[in-house]
Amino acid sequence: GAGVSQSPSNKVTEKGKDVELRCDPISGHTALYWYRQSLGQGLEFLIYFQGNSAPDKSGLPSDRFSAERTGGSVSTLTIQRTQQEDSAVYLCASSLDSGSYNEQFFGPGTRLTVL
Amino acid sequence: TQLLEQSPQFLSIQEGENLTVYCNSSSVFSSLQWYRQEPGEGPVLLVTVVTGGEVKKLKRLTFQFGDARKDSSLHITAAQTGDTGLYLCAGGSGSSNTGKLIFGQGTTLQVKP
Repeated sequence: GAGVSQSPSNKVTEKGKDVELRCDPISGHTALYWYRQSLGQGLEFLIYFQGNSAPDKSGLPSDRFSAERTGGSVSTLTIQRTQQEDSAVYLCASSLDSGSYNEQFFGPGTRLTVL
Repeated sequence: TQLLEQSPQFLSIQEGENLTVYCNSSSVFSSLQWYRQEPGEGPVLLVTVVTGGEVKKLKRLTFQFGDARKDSSLHITAAQTGDTGLYLCAGGSGSSNTGKLIFGQGTTLQVKP
């Protein structure tokens, strides 16, 4: 009964480089979410996937951000041409189904530092 | 745009004291969740409230959803050092049952021994 896992746990990169962050949701969870959190702050919604439906990308801050979910399971968040303002903790969560009453289970996050 | 404002942002108290954290919005939410997050970890759900006026208790924690479903509060009785962490409220979208949550900016609680 593994929880949500994310990799890497920490990523340091140089401005302008591309990065990929990975999320392995809980097996059987059909909904997957990506959030961004600045130090000690709340979570900023980025994107969510529900089954085979088109993802809700309304929270992506720019076209440098993209995400995909392969086979309804693993998801990758890609940030191209990273900027210093992209530095944050990126959190992934999954839930059994979409629906505002469903508990979201979060991974430990990936701390991204852009130098 | 739906926003949730939490207050206070920071709270430092002595063990044994009581405290209340507030979560307010001008928007109606279909549900309101409270999460607790410790450093280096993801948030963990504490409770979900869905009915206006609903009160839920979890040991020393009492959660209330406002009658109009626009606000919520978290009250901790006799705080312990283990209650230290970041408390986040999150509202479920009122317009569609998508599971997308709107988070408040969080309340950092420090309970000193």
